[in-house]
Amino acid sequence: SQQGEEDPQALSIQEGENATMNCSYKTSINNLQWYRQNSGRGLVHLILIRSNEREKHSGRLRVTLDTSKKSSSLLITASRAADTASYFCATASQKDRANSKLTFGKGITLSVRP
Amino acid sequence: GAVVSQHPSWVICKSGTSVKIECRSLDFQATTMFWYRQFPKQSLMLMATSNEGSKATYEQGVEKDKFLINHASLTLSTLTVTSAHPEDSSFYICSAQDRGRLGQETQYFGPGTRLLVL
Repeated sequence: SQQGEEDPQALSIQEGENATMNCSYKTSINNLQWYRQNSGRGLVHLILIRSNEREKHSGRLRVTLDTSKKSSSLLITASRAADTASYFCATASQKDRANSKLTFGKGITLSVRP
Repeated sequence: GAVVSQHPSWVICKSGTSVKIECRSLDFQATTMFWYRQFPKQSLMLMATSNEGSKATYEQGVEKDKFLINHASLTLSTLTVTSAHPEDSSFYICSAQDRGRLGQETQYFGPGTRLLVL
């Protein structure tokens, strides 16, 4: 079953603008991860944030986690046309800590117009 | 580092035949590998988890006799779709995890295999 729910489902912005994507989940998590998928390709790991962390940065990426609201946001600053892709949040449940299984959300399609 | 490959990248087969997909971790030892399927414009659905040297753990609703998984070494896992039917057509993606050197939480994904059953 899917746990993560991202919004918006689709986002179209101009190059240079910031893109903000949100993810909500239902159960207690060990960590939350964001992945990018280009059309017809595999997933690229972007960033992982643990349940005891509130914010994390990696280059142009900023991820926040609010465990009280069971939500996370991914901010991409100064977007580029190459950022055009689908973005997924995935949660690792505390119950499945031994196996580190991930449950993926439905994904957000980001289009960055040149 | 942390590269995962899949072979083949795409395959077309006739209904009733079996198809084997390989997933390899190229520069690390994968203690655990995961197999997912993804339908067009949808999310990834976990099919099974395999640990090296032991039987795979299948998710609810996934037929273990239909989707045979073998994880015989620390760098190779295979998924065999037996007696494939058109409804098995999908994008199959594997991921690998190294609980040692690379840390236990990140999964590294292969590029996927597109299967079309005629």
